[in-house]
Amino acid sequence: GAGVSQSPSNKVTEKGKDVELRCDPISGHTALYWYRQSLGQGLEFLIYFQGNSAPDKSGLPSDRFSAERTGGSVSTLTIQRTQQEDSAVYLCASSLGLAGGLRRDEQFFGPGTRLTVL
Amino acid sequence: RKEVEQDPGPFNVPEGATVAFNCTYSNSASQSFFWYRQDCRKEPKLLMSVYSSGNEDGRFTAQLNRASQYISLLIRDSKLSDSATYLCVVIPSGGYQKVTFGIGTKLQVIP
Repeated sequence: GAGVSQSPSNKVTEKGKDVELRCDPISGHTALYWYRQSLGQGLEFLIYFQGNSAPDKSGLPSDRFSAERTGGSVSTLTIQRTQQEDSAVYLCASSLGLAGGLRRDEQFFGPGTRLTVL
Repeated sequence: RKEVEQDPGPFNVPEGATVAFNCTYSNSASQSFFWYRQDCRKEPKLLMSVYSSGNEDGRFTAQLNRASQYISLLIRDSKLSDSATYLCVVIPSGGYQKVTFGIGTKLQVIP
């Protein structure tokens, strides 16, 4: 079956430019997560969406980062005025989330978008 | 104290050995626990969930100790293909914004 997909797989941009990263979660998954992973580092939690509810944005590293999720499905992560320290792999994951009164937290990851800011 | 702590390793073990990793967490209200495997330059893949009663999947056994606030992963009869980084994940009750991955423990199985 189709897993989580992300696009683009690689993005090279110049410092100061805006970038938009896309995530298509597994069909039927209500929860969606964004993480970033710098080289040799652990995963840094960025933001979480549950269905159509407003996300908690407190994990976003700065106000240059924003994310939205349209129709409870596809999500985009936007980074404005990119900086070199934004270079990392951005990973999206989805899980069943809250469904039928149960909570299922097993996350399935997409292949990630490797962002390089020159 | 970090919210989730793991020994980064590397753990170098011979084929056929048994190896165990621990992961400690600081939030006693944590609800869900998982182990993931991440190969070099790949995304994490779910290995197994961790339940209070412990669970086993083939050569892999995961356990949760709420009193001491740690989870463990035991790998028996290590294979070369088990070489990877093993990440623990802790999710607190009612607080997805606090989803925390450990830094991961690197395992290298040697022929």
